Amino acid sequence: KNQVEQSPQSLIILEGKNCTLQCNYTVSPFSNLRWYKQDTGRGPVSLTIMTFSENTKSNGRYTATLDADTKQSSLHITASQLSDSASYICVVSVTGGFKTIFGAGTRLFVKA
Amino acid sequence: DAGVIQSPRHEVTEMGQEVTLRCKPISGHDYLFWYRQTMMRGLELLIYFNNNVPIDDSGMPEDRFSAKMPNASFSTLKIQPSEPRDSAVYFCASTPGLAKNIQYFGAGTRLSVL
Repeated sequence: KNQVEQSPQSLIILEGKNCTLQCNYTVSPFSNLRWYKQDTGRGPVSLTIMTFSENTKSNGRYTATLDADTKQSSLHITASQLSDSASYICVVSVTGGFKTIFGAGTRLFVKA
Repeated sequence: DAGVIQSPRHEVTEMGQEVTLRCKPISGHDYLFWYRQTMMRGLELLIYFNNNVPIDDSGMPEDRFSAKMPNASFSTLKIQPSEPRDSAVYFCASTPGLAKNIQYFGAGTRLSVL
């Protein structure tokens, strides 16, 4: 069964600290993996997208990694800011179309 | 470009009423998607269009749901009759093509069915 599991479910960190969010998937055949940031009351915004051959992708203070062998991805946030408070959603696509499996998301709270 | 535009932002209706949600994709984007998001189930793909043609509607929950895309700049998602369990945030997204596959989301319509 195609599934995407994210951990932790929620996370509280202090401003300026780093954090890492995890995504494990059992999706086949794999096409790509995306991380989205969703602010409260807004639509998701794409942070990174990685295909099978890519194992690292950065977008500013956000760095995503992908291990296609173990079917794991992580999103690392460096020097967190209050504006990083949001839900982070891992999404895996199946080859051959737009069939996508969404993770439940990790809710990140950054405190001053 | 103003991005993906959805209307209304909020909709409150009574059970049994017809609800129509609207979406204007980003100009030049060939693909349009409708999603539903709830606390219990997260984000779910309902249907997507390519060049105004519905490609995959396997996510549409019931016959009460229907979606149309009469032209490249407009799509609707209709629920008739609405039920309380349809309460959710409905997102529309668009993307230029399959290869890049970065979807741009609208702000969503928060639907409450009483």
